[in-house]
Formats: sequence, C-alpha cells, structure tokens
Amino acid sequence: ELKVEQNPLFLSMQEGKNYTIYCNYSTTSDRLYWYRQDPGKSLESLFVLLSNGAVKQEGRLMASLDTKARLSTLHITAAVHDLSATYFCAVDTSRIIQGAQKLVFGQGTRLTINP
Amino acid sequence: DGGITQSPKYLFRKEGQNVTLSCEQNLNHDAMYWYRQDPGQGLRLIYYSQIVNDFQKGDIAEGYSVSREKKESFPLTVTSAQKNPTAFYLCASIKQGGRNQPQHFGDGTRLSIL
Repeated sequence: ELKVEQNPLFLSMQEGKNYTIYCNYSTTSDRLYWYRQDPGKSLESLFVLLSNGAVKQEGRLMASLDTKARLSTLHITAAVHDLSATYFCAVDTSRIIQGAQKLVFGQGTRLTINP
Repeated sequence: DGGITQSPKYLFRKEGQNVTLSCEQNLNHDAMYWYRQDPGQGLRLIYYSQIVNDFQKGDIAEGYSVSREKKESFPLTVTSAQKNPTAFYLCASIKQGGRNQPQHFGDGTRLSIL
C-alpha cells in the first residue's frame, strides 16, 4: 500500500523566516502535486512536478522532486501571513499511460505564520 | 466562468437515510472524482469515472455509490451502509489525457449526522 507522509504536520513560524515542508512516499512515481487548502475551503493547485529533478517556483514558494529518494520539498522563503494554510502533497499512483490519474494524498501540513 | 459546482454546501443525514451529493462541471472534463476528507486528514478517493457510464472504486468505496449518466454530472450517494459518513466531501475533475495536469476541485459538501 502506498504511503505518503508529510512532515511536519504542524508548523508555526514567524514572518520573514524560511522553512521547508517534506513529502516522502513509498512507491515509484514521477508525478507529484502540491495543493493549498484554506480553512473550510476547497483545494487550490500550486505545483505539478513531473520528473526527477523538477523544480517549480511561484513567489515565495518553491517545490522540488527527487524521484530516486521518493521525496518532494516545498520551501517557503521569507514567509508572510497570507501563506498561512494547510499544504498537501499528492502522488499519482497510476501505471497506465492512458489511464486515469489516481492520487494518494499526504496528511497535510498546517502552516501558521505569525506577524 | 468554467468550474465545478457542488451542492448542497451543508447536508444533514438521519439514521438509515440515503443522501445524494451533487457535482456538476462545465469544464468539458472527462474524468471526475469523489474524495472524502476527515478533520485534520488528507483526502481519500471514494470513486472515479473516466467516461460516461463507467466508474471505478477508489480506496474507500464501501457504503457509497455513484452514477455517470452525463459527462457533466457525477453524483455521489452516501448510503445507510456508511456508518460514519460525517466528513467533508470534495469533487474534482480533469481532462482526458491530462494526467500531467492538476485536478480541479469544487467547493465541497459538509455532511453531518443528525
């Protein structure tokens, strides 16, 4: 059974600091997705990582994928309060090229950024 | 604007009752998904459908049923066999061949037991 584990699960940090969220997964996959969820809301796509060594950046967030280590990271640079949310990674477990995307989600990391 | 509409936003179920959650999309997407989210947890896949009149079980299908009579619609029925239905239910969609794209999500339905 595929396991997707995020750490930390809770993170409280001050504005202006840097930090990294880790996403480890237990089976071979070269497609990993990061989503953001605000309290009581739906999921918003942040990054799509499709190959080993992929790196994507948007504003203060940067995501990377190491398929050999089965590890993705989400790095936050100079955090601001607006980045407070829960962040999920999700791994596509589908093996069929024309098949449906089948995602397994991590537990989520609840990020709180204090002024 | 294109998107996914889930209704109702809040739903209450009595003991022994079946309830149906609606999911409609106007994105012309082929594949649709239902997920369940429990407090403080990630999403778990209930059912998915790649084309009309076809659907597959996900990881936690027991106590749920779906239909896919139209491309735009993928309703989820929570049956009385689902003994712990209280959760946040999210519907998502993606275009066929779009495995390298992110799924688009609706705003969710929060289901509670009366």
